[in-house]
Amino acid sequence: GQQLNQSPQSMFIQEGEDVSMNCTSSSIFNTWLWYKQDPGEGPVLLIALYKAGELTSNGRLTAQFGITRKDSFLNISASIPSDVGIYFCAGRASTSGTASKLTFGTGTRLQVTL
Amino acid sequence: DSGVTQTPKHLITATGQRVTLRCSPRSGDLSVYWYQQSLDQGLQFLIQYYNGEERAKGNILERFSAQQFPDLHSELNLSSLELGDSALYFCASSAHMDQPQHFGDGTRLSIL
Repeated sequence: GQQLNQSPQSMFIQEGEDVSMNCTSSSIFNTWLWYKQDPGEGPVLLIALYKAGELTSNGRLTAQFGITRKDSFLNISASIPSDVGIYFCAGRASTSGTASKLTFGTGTRLQVTL
Repeated sequence: DSGVTQTPKHLITATGQRVTLRCSPRSGDLSVYWYQQSLDQGLQFLIQYYNGEERAKGNILERFSAQQFPDLHSELNLSSLELGDSALYFCASSAHMDQPQHFGDGTRLSIL
């Protein structure tokens, strides 16, 4: 099945550093979502974006809906140990039929060292 | 806690068998989605139901089927199981199709 290109695939950072990751698609989406998944748990919604150019924050997390509607970015500021996990982007083309499904990125595994 | 409940949490069975996975959506959510997550494929959309009706299908195998009941809970049936069906199966729900999806903690299916 289709997957979005997400980068980086994994990253080691030190506590307190800022983190950036992005997601690109070959097709246009009208909704972008960012999820975090911890081991043994389901993905947890972090941020939802609905308009091209939209910039939305949730605490230390900030995400942007790319102008081309083919990409999205997630930034985490001042990382802490509990930020460890796998971050997934997901895109939705429309709200009707098969296009209402979410297409997920390949994931970015974040590890934070003290 | 997302409010989406999946049972069982773990399931171990043999090739050729049939299993049923259950999902209770968040209170008030009408739409239910099923996803498969395996190591080499990431999260793949299987099927979606809205208020009891099938609305969208992904790359779901013919051996797999699902339904959403009048009380809005959903079941995913997997039959003639193969080793490659070993994966995490997630259910997600949303109030309507244009709302963000909230995921359960999944059912880990192991085929021996």
